[in-house]
Amino acid sequence: GAVVSQHPSRVICKSGTSVKIECRSLDFQATTMFWYRQFPKQSLMLMATSNEGSKATYEQGVEKDKFLINHASLTLSTLTVTSAHPEDSSFYICSATRGADYNEQFFGPGTRLTVL
Amino acid sequence: TQLLEQSPQFLSIQEGENLTVYCNSSSVFSSLQWYRQEPGEGPVLLVTVVTGGEVKKLKRLTFQFGDARKDSSLHITAAQPGDTGLYLCAGVYNFNKFYFGSGTKLNVKP
Repeated sequence: GAVVSQHPSRVICKSGTSVKIECRSLDFQATTMFWYRQFPKQSLMLMATSNEGSKATYEQGVEKDKFLINHASLTLSTLTVTSAHPEDSSFYICSATRGADYNEQFFGPGTRLTVL
Repeated sequence: TQLLEQSPQFLSIQEGENLTVYCNSSSVFSSLQWYRQEPGEGPVLLVTVVTGGEVKKLKRLTFQFGDARKDSSLHITAAQPGDTGLYLCAGVYNFNKFYFGSGTKLNVKP
């Protein structure tokens, strides 16, 4: 149990286009979902925390208008990279919690975004 | 600057050797976790340590949480090529923020 999926697993897009990444909790309801970004050979950096039905909380330095997060249901959160540029190329990972314990996070497999 | 600093950043050793990875912070964490990540995949949880001074063992891996709950270590005995990967510590800060450490890239050569 407690499986989190991401779609797509890989996406290549042209500079200036927008890309949507989906994060789904397959067998549980996720009270909170997190979005992380990871550059090659580096650690995961928290981008934002989202709760169902409310606005996401973004970390300092993360552009809200650039990275749109929608958490419309208890099983789905989406991250849209708007007007993508090559520097947005990265590995994006989501995670979800079942309750209030942030220690119990279930991670998705990640999405590799390449912006040409 | 990272809230959780790991050392070393890179480690390349021969199969059979022992190693220790450190995770340090100036802040107190209610708990710390260790993850292992393969390239192109999400991180996989290895262990959660909660009590200051706690020691947990997972086969050849030994995890320790500092008495003051500001640091942790991961010790691997007789490393194997299958242990190769990115090791990440992580923890809940201020009850509502979850942060990953800077990461340690381990390469075990056969």
